[in-house]
Parts: sequence; structure tokens; C-alpha cells
Amino acid sequence: QVQLQESGPGLVKPSQTLSLTCTVSGGSISSGSYYWSWIRQPAGKGLEWIGRIYTSGSTNYNPSLKSRVTISVDTSKNQFSLKLSSVTAADTAVYYCARGNDWHYGDDHFDYWGQGTLVTVSS
Amino acid sequence: DIQMTQSPSSLSASVGDRVTITCRASQSISSYLNWYQQKPGKAPKLLIYAASSLQSGVPSRFSGSGSGTDFTLTISSLQPEDFATYYCQQSYSTPQAFGQGTRLEIK
Repeated sequence: QVQLQESGPGLVKPSQTLSLTCTVSGGSISSGSYYWSWIRQPAGKGLEWIGRIYTSGSTNYNPSLKSRVTISVDTSKNQFSLKLSSVTAADTAVYYCARGNDWHYGDDHFDYWGQGTLVTVSS
Repeated sequence: DIQMTQSPSSLSASVGDRVTITCRASQSISSYLNWYQQKPGKAPKLLIYAASSLQSGVPSRFSGSGSGTDFTLTISSLQPEDFATYYCQQSYSTPQAFGQGTRLEIK
């Protein structure tokens, strides 16, 4: 059973960089036709797709965040990471990591999610 | 970017009711439409993928239909554990996007 677990600071100061890591267990991050995503959710609001990475290193980012976001992968540690720079209070949210499954033509979905981690931006 | 619009935003229903939630894409997304259920304090859970395929382990009272721009999620007979928020998501193109959510409440 694949499991994902987010980790990182729960409090980040404004203008600093938010850094989170997602550790994948129960399977190799490099196996299969999967990609690895970050999604966030401000309190009481909906879900926002941040971006994704394939283990080839190919990335896609949400244009609304693109200038501030970097997603990377470390296959040796079975982890992928998120860095979001120049944060403000608007970046306060629960951050989820998730596995994207696009094995089959016409199908692309998130089948495994981490439990989420709350990151608060405050001085 | 493709925008996803769900309706209604909230819905009150009773146990045993049949419920339908609608999701509309701002342009055609073929069948690249997924539905998730989220309960308070929990991560979203995949219910339906590729518009109409039931995820393994999800009860058969959940079903999805549609293609192109218009999609529906139907719960045939509401159970107490179904009261939650439901999100549609398009994976046709990046940036992927979610609908704003439909909160399903007990009447």
C-alpha cells in the first residue's frame, strides 16, 4: 500500500521560503507511469493545484505561482519536495502531496494523498 | 486555463435520498474528469476517475457520467457517511483545476 507523508516547518515568516518534503513509502517513486504533485487548501476554501514532477525531472507549475515555485525529486530517498519563495499570509494553507496516475489514455487522477500539513505564514 | 464550476455549492438532503452534483468545464476536457470526497480534517479521497470509472473500494451507490464539458456525480441512496464536501477536478491540461466544491449536509 502506497503511503505519502508531508514534513516541514509549520510556521514560516513572511518573505521567506516555504519548504516541504513528501516521503513515499510502500513503493518506489520511480516505478510506473506516475507523477508527483503538490496541492494546497486554505482554511475553509477549495483545492488549488500547485504543480507536479515526473521522475524524469519534467515539471509543470500553476502559472499563478510559477515564478515562486520549485518542485524537485530525490529518487534515492523516495522523496519529492516543494519550495515556495517570498511567502505571504495568502500562502497559509494545508499542503497536500499526492500521486498522479496517468497510466491509461483518457485517464489521469490522484489516487494516493498525504494527510496534509498546515503551514502558517506569520511573523 | 480551464475553469471548473460545480453546482450547487451546498445541498441539504436526507439519508436515502438520491443526489446529483453537476460540474461544468469552461472548455472540452473529454473524459479527464475526476470526483473526490473530502471530510473535515482529512485529505480528499478519489471516488470516480475518467468521468465514470468507480475507484476500487468505493461503494456502487456512487456513479459518474458525462464527457466534453458537462459532468455529474450521483449518489443513489445517501448514507450517513456520505455527508462531506465533493470536488470535481479536470486533468485534461495543466494547470489542473478543481471545482469550488459542493458541501452535502444532512437535512
